[in-house]
Amino acid sequence: GENVEQHPSTLSVQEGDSAVIKCTYSDSASNYFPWYKQELGKRPQLIIDIRSNVGEKKDQRIAVTLNKTAKHFSLHITETQPEDSAVYFCAASETGTASKLTFGTGTRLQVTL
Amino acid sequence: DVKVTQSSRYLVKRTGEKVFLECVQDMDHENMFWYRQDPGLGLRLIYFSYDVKMKEKGDIPEGYSVSREKKERFSLILESASTNQTSMYLCASSYPQGVAGELFFGEGSRLTVL
Repeated sequence: GENVEQHPSTLSVQEGDSAVIKCTYSDSASNYFPWYKQELGKRPQLIIDIRSNVGEKKDQRIAVTLNKTAKHFSLHITETQPEDSAVYFCAASETGTASKLTFGTGTRLQVTL
Repeated sequence: DVKVTQSSRYLVKRTGEKVFLECVQDMDHENMFWYRQDPGLGLRLIYFSYDVKMKEKGDIPEGYSVSREKKERFSLILESASTNQTSMYLCASSYPQGVAGELFFGEGSRLTVL
């Protein structure tokens, strides 16, 4: 089955700096890579996703890059703000009869003033 | 807005008890999932279902079973609760069948087994 590794487990940045979270996956058949944000006490919510026919996708201050050859994908947050503080999860999925997401172990991002 | 509702936010049960966790979604989604969330381990898939009466094992199905008698409802059952099943349980739904897409999560059920 799929295995997703995520680094770092914790990340502290100053407000206004950039943050990068990296993930690797094992199954070359995976073709869908979402990122979820979970604020304290809340449910995880999708913030951005990318499919394997695209190398990069951007949405305002958030971008995701995908390297299928190396089986890497990364989340980039620019101009971080205190409300970006949360746990971020990457995930990978193969499209099939039932799309099953395998999650990474999460990165706790702390944006300090 | 998609709404995924989990019946209980907090439960405390004793070892050996049978536990039912209920999840209902209101958007006619084909796919439903049960994940378990533990610190440092992320979200791990227990079971999922892509149609009524269909179920598939996830990565950690041992000690759990599921039921999907109606499209909108997906139940997780712990036949005989054990202390190592103390955790946060998250239900999720998505659509369409056969295409990887956004998961809509419930608020979670925190289960403590004494």
